[in-house]
Amino acid sequence: GQNIDQPTEMTATEGAIVQINCTYQTSGFNGLFWYQQHAGEAPTFLSYNVLDGLEEKGRFSSFLSRSKGYSYLLLKELQMKDSASYLCAVRGPGSARQLTFGSGTQLTVLP
Amino acid sequence: DTAVSQTPKYLVTQMGNDKSIKCEQNLGHDTMYWYKQDSKKFLKIMFSYNNKELIINETVPNRFSPKSPDKAHLNLHINSLELGDSAVYFCASSQGWGQGYNEQFFGPGTRLTVL
Repeated sequence: GQNIDQPTEMTATEGAIVQINCTYQTSGFNGLFWYQQHAGEAPTFLSYNVLDGLEEKGRFSSFLSRSKGYSYLLLKELQMKDSASYLCAVRGPGSARQLTFGSGTQLTVLP
Repeated sequence: DTAVSQTPKYLVTQMGNDKSIKCEQNLGHDTMYWYKQDSKKFLKIMFSYNNKELIINETVPNRFSPKSPDKAHLNLHINSLELGDSAVYFCASSQGWGQGYNEQFFGPGTRLTVL
């Protein structure tokens, strides 16, 4: 099975940098996704990692270490609109390769 | 607009009733999903269909029955609703499944409240 851990809540200041960590224990691994979900809205895709290393996309970057079962999402130049829940999801093995989501990290950006 | 759409957005009903939620995607995707997000915000996969064929069927009570009349539609019917069914149900779609960078696009969600 899959077990995914992320902090429940984080707070940061506008303009700052924040790193949201995700650790996972899985019976197989076929990629890790980060999604953003604003309150009352649908999750939206942010990033995908399948190989070790850093993927950069504007203000957002995501890092993966498969040997450590670890990923982080780095958000730079925080804006108020970045206040949201950030969901880490791991795609598993087998023919279905379904996504298993963590419970999400609620980020609050303060002025 | 190209998107994943769901109806209704809100559904309030009594215990014991039967209800359906509809989902449509016009993205040309092959694969569609139903997720349940509970009050603790855990997003859990319920079902997945690829080209109208069921490929994921998690441990979900058989009161829940998905139906995919075609690739663009995946509906969810729930019989004999229970209080614990109260949650937000999200439909999603992706181009293919299990390979590479095939992100899932989510619908706006249906907030189901069972009284």
